[in-house]
Amino acid sequence: DIQMTQSPSSLSASVGDRVTVTCRASQSISSYLNWYQQKPGKAPKLLIFAASSLQSGVPSRFSGSGSGTEFTLTISSLQPEDFATYYCQQSYSTPLTFGGGTKVEIK
Amino acid sequence: QVQLVQSGAEVKKPGASVKVSCEASGYIFNKYGISWVRQAPGQGLEWMGWISAYNGNTKYAQKLQGRVTMTTDTSTSTAYMELRSLRSDDTAVYYCARDIAAAALKFDYWGQGTLVTVSS
Repeated sequence: DIQMTQSPSSLSASVGDRVTVTCRASQSISSYLNWYQQKPGKAPKLLIFAASSLQSGVPSRFSGSGSGTEFTLTISSLQPEDFATYYCQQSYSTPLTFGGGTKVEIK
Repeated sequence: QVQLVQSGAEVKKPGASVKVSCEASGYIFNKYGISWVRQAPGQGLEWMGWISAYNGNTKYAQKLQGRVTMTTDTSTSTAYMELRSLRSDDTAVYYCARDIAAAALKFDYWGQGTLVTVSS
């Protein structure tokens, strides 16, 4: 199975900050990497697919980059509604696997 | 608009089975697949498997092989996930999510989740 490792596991940031979350795969997954946002008690929401493609309806302050084994999710200017947990997920091979999550909290 | 509506919460005893439904609307059901993802309390996300609503092909996570069955009913645009021989560590919120028809890939719409509690 492909292991996905996210860092940091949590971070504190202020509204307006630029935030970066990193995801590493245990082997090359090309660009088969998706990012999700989850708020407490809610289902996850797809933000980015294929490493850098913005899902329809997602604000442009979210962006993704990377290929191979290293990927990043960037929020260019953190908004109050962005405080949530973020997960990466590889779709290169089954079983599909998720990172452990990064909780973005208010500073 | 695309919607996935899941069945309600369940409480089961160890060794029992549970079957969760996921009714889709707002899109052509048999042009997509459905993946199932679960989340234990306070934990991360775990992919359980995928079914193509186009041809019924399935892929299951190895750790659940033999205990899980995913099916679809195209006449009612409903997907089902049955998990047997339940254990306490199967306690989780179970989500269905729309996927592509040809393979397990990405989950662009999600159900609201179904809490399954396994307790004696």
